[in-house]
Amino acid sequence: QITLKESGPTLVKPTQTLTLTCTFSGFSLSTSGVAVGWIRQPPGKALEWLALIYWDDDKRYSPSLKSRLTITKDTSKNQVVLTMTNMDPVDTATYYCAHSPYYDRSFDIWGQGTVVTVSS
Amino acid sequence: QTVVTQEPSFSVSPGGTVTLTCGLSSGSVSTSNYASWYQQTPGQAPRTLIYSTNTRSSGVPHRFSGSILGHKAALTITGAQADDESDYYCVLYMGSDWVFGGGTKLTVL
Repeated sequence: QITLKESGPTLVKPTQTLTLTCTFSGFSLSTSGVAVGWIRQPPGKALEWLALIYWDDDKRYSPSLKSRLTITKDTSKNQVVLTMTNMDPVDTATYYCAHSPYYDRSFDIWGQGTVVTVSS
Repeated sequence: QTVVTQEPSFSVSPGGTVTLTCGLSSGSVSTSNYASWYQQTPGQAPRTLIYSTNTRSSGVPHRFSGSILGHKAALTITGAQADDESDYYCVLYMGSDWVFGGGTKLTVL
């Protein structure tokens, strides 16, 4: 059974860097064909894809946020970390991580999400 | 910048059929976009309904189906039920990144 859980600060100040951790079980990110992605959702708004990391450490970023995002993995800890620099109030959102099989490019299993508020 | 379009809202009667669509601001959606569809109720994480355009995710009722209709991806609900009232999102794979649509709020009444 695949599960994912997001963790990180609930409140960050403008200009600070956000670091979120996705801890997962039921699969290994060293297995060919596996990826983990990050998606966010501002309150009352649509989902937005942010970043994804593949089993082979290949990384993909949203073009509009690429300069602010870094995604890494720690296979031994079953974790994926997303950092976002220069946080702004418009980045207030629920942040989700999700398992993504390479063969179908979907996000099939999602974490419960973590709420991040950006405010001074 | 790629924009993925969805109807902002739709209404269907219980037992009725509704088709939600997912298009591109420029160009046509094909199977190479690996369209997937997600259902989300307030306060909950999205639930995967359809992936790879038309493959139903495990445990998803058969009344949900995916397809390509014309130049868009489509999600059809046949025999809508009250608990299908949710927000529905599509996402398209654009070759090296993914773009979500703005979502469709489906009302069943």
